[in-house]
Amino acid sequence: RKEVEQDPGPFNVPEGATVAFNCTYSNSASQSFFWYRQDCRKEPKLLMSVYSSGNEDGRFTAQLNRASQYISLLIRDSKLSDSATYLCVVNMRTGGFKTIFGAGTRLFVKA
Amino acid sequence: NAGVTQTPKFQVLKTGQSMTLQCAQDMNHNSMYWYRQDPGMGLRLIYYSASEGTTDKGEVPNGYNVSRLNKREFSLRLESAAPSQTSVYFCASSDEDRVFSFEQYFGPGTRLTVT
Repeated sequence: RKEVEQDPGPFNVPEGATVAFNCTYSNSASQSFFWYRQDCRKEPKLLMSVYSSGNEDGRFTAQLNRASQYISLLIRDSKLSDSATYLCVVNMRTGGFKTIFGAGTRLFVKA
Repeated sequence: NAGVTQTPKFQVLKTGQSMTLQCAQDMNHNSMYWYRQDPGMGLRLIYYSASEGTTDKGEVPNGYNVSRLNKREFSLRLESAAPSQTSVYFCASSDEDRVFSFEQYFGPGTRLTVT
């Protein structure tokens, strides 16, 4: 079982739709969580951190469920410019530093 | 402020050749990382350096060596390239002064093909 798993998609949604991605992690020693965005053939860039209390940044909302070991990303009112791959990232310290990237979920927003 | 820069952007090697990928950051970050990204897989950590003068193995270190030349620069060397090392390589840096704040800043990547 992979340490961090994401639905690869692709998710094809119309503009204005709401779309949600989940990411599950297997190691309970995981300490910090992030969503990154990666455009085609570009480097990943931080979208938002994920906190236990949940956090929101404009149209984006991230949630963490430690009991069930998953994080989620909700995008409201999707824009064409949201088309990208969304990477789930989990950091943990288990004797040493370890960071695990999910393989990513591809999103296509269509007009 | 260029952020994280990487050279070269593209490289084609023959099996057995060696090369060094260069990475530099101008954000005064303590930590630097090298990842590889293959289709259908997440980024995998090759090596990292938590501070100047230290380096540690990540998930997939075999076939690679690194040097943390100074606080700014972190290079990745392939001593004898193999086709399995065909990948996109990303360098990243982060400032870990703040616990639980591990935002990483990535360079534009190096696309390496080994024939």
